[in-house]
Amino acid sequence: DAKTTQPNSMESNEEEPVHLPCNHSTISGTDYIHWYRQLPSQGPEYVIHGLTSNVNNRMASLAIAEDRKSSTLILHRATLRDAAVYYCILTRLQGAQKLVFGQGTRLTINP
Amino acid sequence: DTGVSQDPRHKITKRGQNVTFRCDPISEHNRLYWYRQTLGQGPEFLTYFQNEAQLEKSRLLSDRFSAERPKGSFSTLEIQRTEQGDSAMYLCASSLTLGPSEQYFGPGTRLTVT
Repeated sequence: DAKTTQPNSMESNEEEPVHLPCNHSTISGTDYIHWYRQLPSQGPEYVIHGLTSNVNNRMASLAIAEDRKSSTLILHRATLRDAAVYYCILTRLQGAQKLVFGQGTRLTINP
Repeated sequence: DTGVSQDPRHKITKRGQNVTFRCDPISEHNRLYWYRQTLGQGPEFLTYFQNEAQLEKSRLLSDRFSAERPKGSFSTLEIQRTEQGDSAMYLCASSLTLGPSEQYFGPGTRLTVT
């Protein structure tokens, strides 16, 4: 499984945008980039995924570098409820599509 | 609530006892996954079902662990002769088969082995 690298922690202020980076220099052409988050005492929650093009949904935006070796999850206006551990994960389209979680980025939101 | 449910939410057992956990996935989801999460770590993949067929098992899944999904609906995960190292959160997730589908996770079963 291709590996991802994320900062251990980040901090931001409420109502400000947050940019969470992820490096995946060994990504292959068929790997999808997924983001999940895990709030305290809950199971992980899907946030967004993409392949090559930037993606938007109601929760966040995903910006994918042209060479696909990095991506950025963008929370446009952080709230206290966005405080969580964010995981960047690569999956192949074929096979089990199991999620291989790393350490993730612990995001703290200051009021 | 039509999300993934898990039962029990918490289980305390003594070393050497057997435990069984249940997962009810979202009804139309063919795929079902089990993960384990220890404190401070990300979840680790244990096993995966497509309908009733168990198609992949992690090397983490020792012989004491067995999982079933008898009718392609709910699944059970049994741990025999529990050890203290089995203490963890056991998470179940389900997804559709087609495409890079998102996985929907249940709240987990927290196991404590004393």
